[in-house]
Amino acid sequence: QSALTQPASVSGSPGQSITISCTGTSSDVGGYNYVSWYQQHPGKAPKLMIYDVSKRPSGVSNRFSGSKSGNTASLTISGLQAEDEADYYCCSYAGSSTLVFGGGTKLTVL
Amino acid sequence: EVQLVQSGAEVKKPGESLKISCKGSGYSFTSYWIGWVRQMPGKGLEWMGIIYPGDSDTRYSPSFQGQVTISADKSISTAYLQWSSLKASDTAMYYCARHESGIAGDMDVWGKGTTVTVSS
Repeated sequence: QSALTQPASVSGSPGQSITISCTGTSSDVGGYNYVSWYQQHPGKAPKLMIYDVSKRPSGVSNRFSGSKSGNTASLTISGLQAEDEADYYCCSYAGSSTLVFGGGTKLTVL
Repeated sequence: EVQLVQSGAEVKKPGESLKISCKGSGYSFTSYWIGWVRQMPGKGLEWMGIIYPGDSDTRYSPSFQGQVTISADKSISTAYLQWSSLKASDTAMYYCARHESGIAGDMDVWGKGTTVTVSS
């Protein structure tokens, strides 16, 4: 069971859009519609941003959206704001009652 | 308010045992799976395992099977993560989180984390 693959870092200017990819296999990302995304600011606990590939919890800005194609899931943040600067982790169900996280992506708002 | 309150920071020596806790409130504790997540210093999140407090059904990540024990006491709405013999490599932040919709589901509520430091 290997970690999902995310880019180590992405960056964008305020107002721009960025996309973070999360690549797995047919045994995890590609096999189930149970991909979630978490935002983590330094020294804080993770926060759920997207669940079930593309659903947004109550209270999360509609600037955050999720999608999936094959074995790759994506998180898109539009209208980038300074407070979006954080680490982002994808997570997928991997069968056999287990979950697997991605390695994390550091988002820098320039 | 739905919340998970974790026990305080621990400093232990290699070989010692440890049990950290996660107390749920504001919801039916026995109706949701509780998972544990490790974050080593400067590293990413790792899913360790999960327990259903209603019947103590427990599942482990293959990476953590045999290394830790997850348990729960539903009478006091508390889940636990324990080690019988700590190693320096167990030094990390440990989070508990509620699985909103079953084992496969997302983690919608998180504790603030418990820092475990293992050093001689």
